[in-house]
Amino acid sequence: AQSVTQPDIHITVSEGASLELRCNYSYGATPYLFWYVQSPGQGLQLLLKYFSGDTLVQGIKGFEAEFKRSQSSFNLRKPSVHWSDAAEYFCAVGSSNDYKLSFGAGTTVTVRA
Amino acid sequence: EAGVAQSPRYKIIEKRQSVAFWCNPISGHATLYWYQQILGQGPKLLIQFQNNGVVDDSQLPKDRFSAERLKGVDSTLKIQPAKLEDSAVYLCASSSQREYGEQFFGPGTRLTVL
Repeated sequence: AQSVTQPDIHITVSEGASLELRCNYSYGATPYLFWYVQSPGQGLQLLLKYFSGDTLVQGIKGFEAEFKRSQSSFNLRKPSVHWSDAAEYFCAVGSSNDYKLSFGAGTTVTVRA
Repeated sequence: EAGVAQSPRYKIIEKRQSVAFWCNPISGHATLYWYQQILGQGPKLLIQFQNNGVVDDSQLPKDRFSAERLKGVDSTLKIQPAKLEDSAVYLCASSSQREYGEQFFGPGTRLTVL
């Protein structure tokens, strides 16, 4: 069965500083990996996804993520955060045959001025 | 294009009452999902529809939860009777099979069971 672990429950970062959110997955085959963002009162929005190919994936809002098979990781990064990046971030792994996603518990990001 | 619509946005009920949630997916999206998101946790899939057929309902507590998708478009999720532990946000998502994994989510319905 597939699963996702997001080790950090809450991260506080200063505006303009860099951000890295950790994600570790467990899946027997080649995983499909995703990062979603959820702002308060909003649904989830897809930031980026990895299926195959280049292990460094670019997404929306200046985010990127790197797939590292040897570490079973798919960490999300942003070089310089903006106050509007304060939200909850979810990593998800998908199976290759049934379109189902398993989500991590999420990381809440607080941005201080 | 219009996004996934859900109603109501908020609902407060007492335990043992019944409640229903409605979802209208993005036009043309064949796949529809209902998730339960308990506070502090990630979304958990309850049921997945492909057109109007159920693909996966293995995580749906069938003794109290039911869902249907008539005519392969709108969907309703019902809880009867509700328990305290059903307090959560219920998210609806839809996707087109042309692009795996990009599930488009609605704003959710926040249910509080007292």
